[in-house]
Amino acid sequence: QVQLVQSGAEVKKPGASVKVSCKASGYTFTSYGISWVRQAPGQGLEWMGWISAYNGNTNYAQKLQGRVTMTTDTSTTTAYMELRSLRSDDTALYYCARGSHSGNPYPFDIWGQGTMVTVSS
Amino acid sequence: EIVMTQSPATLSVSPGERVTLSCRASQSVSSNLAWYQQKPGQAPRLLIYGASTRATGIPARFSGSGSGTEFTLTISSLQSEDFAVYYCQQYNNWPRTFGQGTKLEIK
Repeated sequence: QVQLVQSGAEVKKPGASVKVSCKASGYTFTSYGISWVRQAPGQGLEWMGWISAYNGNTNYAQKLQGRVTMTTDTSTTTAYMELRSLRSDDTALYYCARGSHSGNPYPFDIWGQGTMVTVSS
Repeated sequence: EIVMTQSPATLSVSPGERVTLSCRASQSVSSNLAWYQQKPGQAPRLLIYGASTRATGIPARFSGSGSGTEFTLTISSLQSEDFAVYYCQQYNNWPRTFGQGTKLEIK
């Protein structure tokens, strides 16, 4: 079946980096893109950015520009999201979600199970 | 950035009732509007896309309408499993943006 499986929970200190993975299966990886969405405890959904698994094009949320990098490995059908210079307000559940490969309008039709990232000294 | 505003923030309803949730965009998003359902401890699930098309496996009691800046999600007869938080999202423009959510509570 079509699914996205994410890596496990992480605990990081302020200033550190975290890299979360999202393994896709059940569909042609390069025919879609991956968006990353985060949700702070008790809060709503925040879009972080998108990467095309077709050509590697990216689009990042302005507030995260310079701290976030999204990549894909087509040989393993895995997407990655790296967030640097972590702060306490980066503590959140991080989701990957399937979207368009081209950047054209497309909903997030498949979601990963989420990865909890806790930033604490 | 397009701001998505949902109302109400919380809705207390009884099973079997019909409910309508609203979502407003700060500028036109055409019909590129999705609704997601999120239950505690679970990832969001796509319910409606293209403002009115049900996603695969979504029951017919869920329906969406609207275009441009005004959208609604209607649940015709609430079931116990429908009590959750509902988010609208526009995917017409970058950055993609979500509403703040509407929580459906059992009355």
